[in-house]
Amino acid sequence: EAGVAQSPRYKIIEKRQSVAFWCNPISGHATLYWYQQILGQGPKLLIQFQNNGVVDDSQLPKDRFSAERLKGVDSTLKIQPAKLEDSAVYLCASSPDQDSYYGYTFGSGTRLTVV
Amino acid sequence: DAKTTQPTSMDCAEGRAANLPCNHSTISGNEYVYWYRQIHSQGPQYIIHGLKNNETNEMASLIITEDRKSSTLILPHATLRDTAVYYCIVRPRNNNDMRFGAGTRLTVKP
Repeated sequence: EAGVAQSPRYKIIEKRQSVAFWCNPISGHATLYWYQQILGQGPKLLIQFQNNGVVDDSQLPKDRFSAERLKGVDSTLKIQPAKLEDSAVYLCASSPDQDSYYGYTFGSGTRLTVV
Repeated sequence: DAKTTQPTSMDCAEGRAANLPCNHSTISGNEYVYWYRQIHSQGPQYIIHGLKNNETNEMASLIITEDRKSSTLILPHATLRDTAVYYCIVRPRNNNDMRFGAGTRLTVKP
């Protein structure tokens, strides 16, 4: 099966600009996650979707970050305006459901550099 | 707010077994132990998981102590391609709430 697809692979923007990342999960996977991974740290969950509804967005900085999964398939994560500390890899993951036995599958991520 | 403690880094000789420890002394009865690894410039990859019994698959073995407060991931014959950051995660049984710590950076040396 095809894996989790993310684009773009790399992005460089200036602070205060906006940016969007796209994720296409594995076909049929109901649950989708966005993680932020700062250099040298483990991934940190930003938001979890079940189909097109938000399950957990408690760690999403809602003043500047937004995410949507309108048709319950692919998803977009947006940052507006970006800050220097948003420089990180943004990982998308998906799983068949919320309590999937084998955990979930990650994409390769989008590396964001804010200058 | 990871529930696990792992060494920051470890080295292993190519062809030898790599034993990666993890402490999860506050684990509860309904929580699994999961292991993922992350090779440079890739997303984390699932390796193995267990509840209380030891587990083995084509990638690794997982040994969980009887009191479940610690576990060891074993790569029986490490290769250079096993160089990665290995994450030990405690996950509730009924959801995918995975909290990653900093993991162990394993370097396999020729």
